[in-house]
Amino acid sequence: DIVMTQSPLSLSVTPGEPASISCRSSQSLLPSNGYNYLIWYLQKPGKSPQVLIHLGSNRASGVPDRFSGSGSGTDFTLKISRVEAEDVGIYYCMQGLETPLTFGPGTKVDIK
Amino acid sequence: QVQLHQSGPGQVEPSQSLSLTCAISGDSVLSNSAAWNWIRQSPSRGLEWLGRTYYRSRWFNDYAVSVKSRATINADTSKNQFSLQLNSVTPEDTAVYYCVRDERGAADYYYGMDVWGRGTTVTVSS
Repeated sequence: DIVMTQSPLSLSVTPGEPASISCRSSQSLLPSNGYNYLIWYLQKPGKSPQVLIHLGSNRASGVPDRFSGSGSGTDFTLKISRVEAEDVGIYYCMQGLETPLTFGPGTKVDIK
Repeated sequence: QVQLHQSGPGQVEPSQSLSLTCAISGDSVLSNSAAWNWIRQSPSRGLEWLGRTYYRSRWFNDYAVSVKSRATINADTSKNQFSLQLNSVTPEDTAVYYCVRDERGAADYYYGMDVWGRGTTVTVSS
């Protein structure tokens, strides 16, 4: 199975300041088609997870442009350029390359 | 707008079977670009993918090794829904269960798990 790790596991951010979350996979998520099969989700308190970024760097429809994803192969980063109060929750990365589909442990983001 | 509507009991006795159903609106269980998944979430296991079913000229199923011998995911085309049955449950199966769509576009573009049900809290207890 592909193991996903994240760091940090928790993050406290001042509104308006940037935030960054790292995700690593135990094997490359970049096959020959050139797509990185890495998805970022945000689970807001009491809600189901929602897609933020697909294929490593493409924002999902309706996601604010303060969210960006980067990286390739086994190392990925989610950045929030200026954190807002509505961004609190748990951020997960997930690999969609092969079954079993696997998630990282999550990074809990709260506001200072 | 695609929506998934989950139903099923919130409590199951140990050694019994857990059965959940997910009704689809706004899409078809026969979609040739979607897969229909069950994922659970617990404090001890985090988000855990359990399995999926999808139709590509015929039906395919994949399961996590952790539940493969106990889980069955089926689609019902007449009702446009899919279901999870998990046999011989133990307290370790206590979790929030989600039904989820994942979507692939042309040339293997992958949108991820883009539609989630609201989740069903299932407690395994006598």
